[in-house]
Amino acid sequence: GENVEQHPSTLSVQEGDSAVIKCTYSDSASNYFPWYKQELGKRPQLIIDIRSNVGEKKDQRIAVTLNKTAKHFSLHITETQPEDSAVYFCAVSDGSSNTGKLIFGQGTTLQVKP
Amino acid sequence: NAGVMQNPRHLVRRRGQEARLRCSPMKGHSHVYWYRQLPEEGLKFMVYLQKENIIDESGMPKERFSAEFPKEGPSILRIQQVVRGDSAAYFCASSRTGWSDTQYFGPGTRLTVL
Repeated sequence: GENVEQHPSTLSVQEGDSAVIKCTYSDSASNYFPWYKQELGKRPQLIIDIRSNVGEKKDQRIAVTLNKTAKHFSLHITETQPEDSAVYFCAVSDGSSNTGKLIFGQGTTLQVKP
Repeated sequence: NAGVMQNPRHLVRRRGQEARLRCSPMKGHSHVYWYRQLPEEGLKFMVYLQKENIIDESGMPKERFSAEFPKEGPSILRIQQVVRGDSAAYFCASSRTGWSDTQYFGPGTRLTVL
């Protein structure tokens, strides 16, 4: 089945710096790649997603890049702010089942120091 | 614009009791996914349902766990004879269509088994 690896597990940056989180996946049939932000005790919130017919997508300070050949995608946050501190999860749609179920990475705890 | 609703938000059960978790999808959404999140871990897919149908239950334990999404009313995840290892946050997500569509998460039910 699909396997998703996410790195790093923790990331600490200074306010204003950029943060990059990477995920790799194994199933070449996967075609949908969302990123979720989860604050402590809260629900996962979609922050950006990309589909396999697109290589890059940007929304203000957040961008996602996808390399289907290498089977990896990355989240980029520029000009980080303390409120960006949270756990970030990448996810991949399960290509083999075509049901839309998501396989999640292990999460990255991002700390933005003021 | 009500989002995904879950109740109860917190549920405490003693070993051997039953737990019932409810999920009402967003208006216009007929696809429901249940995920489990153990403390400080990522989300794991459990089951995917459409109205009156279980589409994919590959992530759900074969014993003690069941799910339904009736024609009327919320989706229900039922755990019989709970054990301490069932303690976790249970999130449901809904989408308008199934495959590769954006999934929006509810606030979760935090189950504690004493």
